[in-house]
Formats: sequence, C-alpha cells, structure tokens
Amino acid sequence: GENVEQHPSTLSVQEGDSAVIKCTYSDSASNYFPWYKQELGKGPQLIIDIRSNVGEKKDQRIAVTLNKTAKHFSLHITETQPEDSAVYFCAANNAGGTSYGKLTFGQGTILTVHP
Amino acid sequence: GAVVSQHPSRVICKSGTSVKIECRSLDFQATTMFWYRQFPKQSLMLMATSNEGSKATYEQGVEKDKFLINHASLTLSTLTVTSAHPEDSSFYICSARVSGPNTGELFFGEGSRLTVL
Repeated sequence: GENVEQHPSTLSVQEGDSAVIKCTYSDSASNYFPWYKQELGKGPQLIIDIRSNVGEKKDQRIAVTLNKTAKHFSLHITETQPEDSAVYFCAANNAGGTSYGKLTFGQGTILTVHP
Repeated sequence: GAVVSQHPSRVICKSGTSVKIECRSLDFQATTMFWYRQFPKQSLMLMATSNEGSKATYEQGVEKDKFLINHASLTLSTLTVTSAHPEDSSFYICSARVSGPNTGELFFGEGSRLTVL
C-alpha cells in the first residue's frame, strides 16, 4: 500500500517568512495529492491539491509542487501570517484506482508563525 | 468547497454505553464516506469506508462489531461506537467524496470528540 512521509514534524517561522513542508510517497500509481490544514479541535480543511499531470499549482500565498520522478511533493506558504499557524497534513491517493477516495496521510507538521 | 457536517461535536459517555455520531453531506450527495480516527498529536487513521446501500469496508485491525457504520442515504452516514471504553476516547472525523469522474477530492467534517469515562 501507499506510504507517505512528511517533514518536518514542527516548523517555526517569523511572520512574513516562507514555510516549506515536504512529503514523499511510495506508490507510483498515486495521482492525487491534497494538502490539509487542521486547527485545534477541528477537522482538516482542504487548502490546495495537485494532480499528477501538473507540476505546480498556486493559489495566492500557497503553492504546491510535484516531482513524479522523485515521488515527492511540497507545500510552500509565502508571507506567512500568525493565522497560518496550524497542523498541516499532506496526503496521497490513486484517484482512479480501486482505492479511490482512500487517502493516506503524512504524519503532520505543526507550523507556528511568530508575530 | 463542499460542506460536511458532523454531530455531535463533543460527547462524554460512561463506559459500557453506545454512542452514535452522524456525518452529513449538506450540499451534495455522497455515495461514499470515510471514517477516520485521530489520537492527540497524531495523524488521521482510516477506520472504514462507508458505502451507501451496502456494508462498510473496514481497515485491517478495526473491529466491525465495535464500530458500526450505517450509510442509509446519500447524505448521511453514522458511526456507532458500541460498548465504549476509555480507550475508545478519540477524535472521530468523517469525510465525503465529491462525486465526479476521478476527482478524488475529499471534504472533512469538523470532527467529534468522544470521551469515555
């Protein structure tokens, strides 16, 4: 099955700096890679996703890059703000396979943005 | 994005009782929903896949008689923790798949925190 590794486990940055979180996956058949933000006591919220036919996707301050050959993908947050502080999870899935919808999550990254 | 609602958000029960958690897709139909469990400071662990009109598919190591799942309609799936014990205390989160060809997108509910005394 799929295995997703996420690093770092904790990340502390100053407001205005950039933050980068990296994930690797094992199943070359995976083709859908979402990123979720989870605030304390709440469910995960989808913030951005990328499919394997795209190398990069950007949405305002958030961007995701995908390297299919190396089987890794990264989340980039620019101009970080204190409200970006949360736990971020990457995930992977074969959206066209029999495991459709069954996401495998990374271990999570606790991001702290200091004012 | 699509809205998934869970109820209750918090529940405290005595050991030995059963607790039901509801997961609803509010603005779309979901033939498939997923139930996750999350322990403090840990990642989400998939428990089971809930399929409308058929039996749920449980992940390895998850007791189907302990965690009863019913998906009676296209907008509602329920998870019942039977004969709950303190070790069942956890954050339970459901998600629903947005229909469409190979979209893969999942939206999550707000989670239900179960505390078993």
